[in-house]
Formats: sequence, structure tokens, C-alpha cells
Amino acid sequence: DAGVIQSPRHEVTEMGQEVTLRCKPISGHNSLFWYRQTMMRGLELLIYFNNNVPIDDSGMPEDRFSAKMPNASFSTLKIQPSEPRDSAVYFCASAEGINYGYTFGSGTRLTVV
Amino acid sequence: DQQVKQNSPSLSVQEGRISILNCDYTNSMFDYFLWYKKYPAEGPTFLISISSIKDKNEDGRFTVFLNKSAKHLSLHIVPSQPGDSAVYFCAAIPRRGGSNYKLTFGKGTLLTVNP
Repeated sequence: DAGVIQSPRHEVTEMGQEVTLRCKPISGHNSLFWYRQTMMRGLELLIYFNNNVPIDDSGMPEDRFSAKMPNASFSTLKIQPSEPRDSAVYFCASAEGINYGYTFGSGTRLTVV
Repeated sequence: DQQVKQNSPSLSVQEGRISILNCDYTNSMFDYFLWYKKYPAEGPTFLISISSIKDKNEDGRFTVFLNKSAKHLSLHIVPSQPGDSAVYFCAAIPRRGGSNYKLTFGKGTLLTVNP
């Protein structure tokens, strides 16, 4: 099992540009989470999908952020337009049901200049 | 408002000694607690957990203790090894209730085990 796969590993973009982060969860896992890690706020839940349906997006900072899960094997997190304060490490995690040992991907380090 | 707090940003111990990482929480709805370990450039990996019906859970060199009345938990690593050097995150979840999927994390403690 390759685990949770995120791409790209690193992304540097200019302010105002659109950024798309990608995630492939573990096959068979029906829960998918996007987390963001910053120095100030630590790890924060942005959005939770269950069976491809967004259940809780209350952590999405603002309308510039959107997430989709078109099928069980793929999810995207999009930021448009990006701002320097969006610079952070974004993690995707998946789980089988409410299995609390979530499996995290290696993250995408986003830098917005 | 931080519901899960790890007040020590870093901890340094000698190889072979005990490492004790601490975590406090404020939300009384939390009834399941986890520790994650994170190496640089990797995602957090699940280490050990404990239910609120227990006060201790042990897995090899790792033991988690829970004091519900104090809303405090700790992770003990004995003996500590250089490979244990990593950031350790405490996390909590309310298994009963509408947010039973939502892990709330502390900010982490960087453990350095010196050879």
C-alpha cells in the first residue's frame, strides 16, 4: 500500500495565482480530511469528506478556498486567489470509517510570495 | 482558543533515559486521545491512543497516562532512543456527538534524544 499520496510536495506561487493541491487516499478508506499546519495555529482541520460528500467545511478559512472529491480515489484543495498568509503545509489524511488512527500524506509545502 | 495544549515546545533527553511529553485539554467532551509522531518532511503517524475509560495504555516502550480529573495526559517513552527524535502531537476527539470525526491537535513538542 502506497499510503496517502499528495502532490505536489512543494509549491511556490505568486500572490493572486490559483493553486491546486491533490490527494489520493488509501483505497477502501471512506473518510478524507484536509488539514493545514502553521506555526501560529498548529494543525487545523479544513474540511472533512465522508463517502465523497463534504460533511464539515467549517474550517475552510474563506471563500478563496474550495475542496472537491469527485470520486473515492481523488480530492483537490484549491486556493484562488492565493495570498502570502496561505503559506503553510497542507496535509491530506484518510481513514476507514471513524478510525481514529488517521493516515496522513507527506504534505504539500505551499509558499505564496 | 486552544482546546488541546502542549506547553513545552521542545524537550531534550539522553539516550536510554525516560522521555515524558505532556498534554492538557479543556473540552470535557473529549473522550479519546491520541499521540502522533512526525518526522521532518513527513506526515504525522499514529503512535498510541487511550480511551477515557482507561487511565493507562502501554505499547512496548510507549505508555500513555490519562488523568481525567486534571484533564491531563502524558506520553512516556522508556528507554528513549535517538530514532525517537521527532515532533510529537497530542490529539483529542469527542467520540459521542456531532463532531466525532474531528481530531483536535496540540501544537506539538519537539523531542530530541541525544546519543
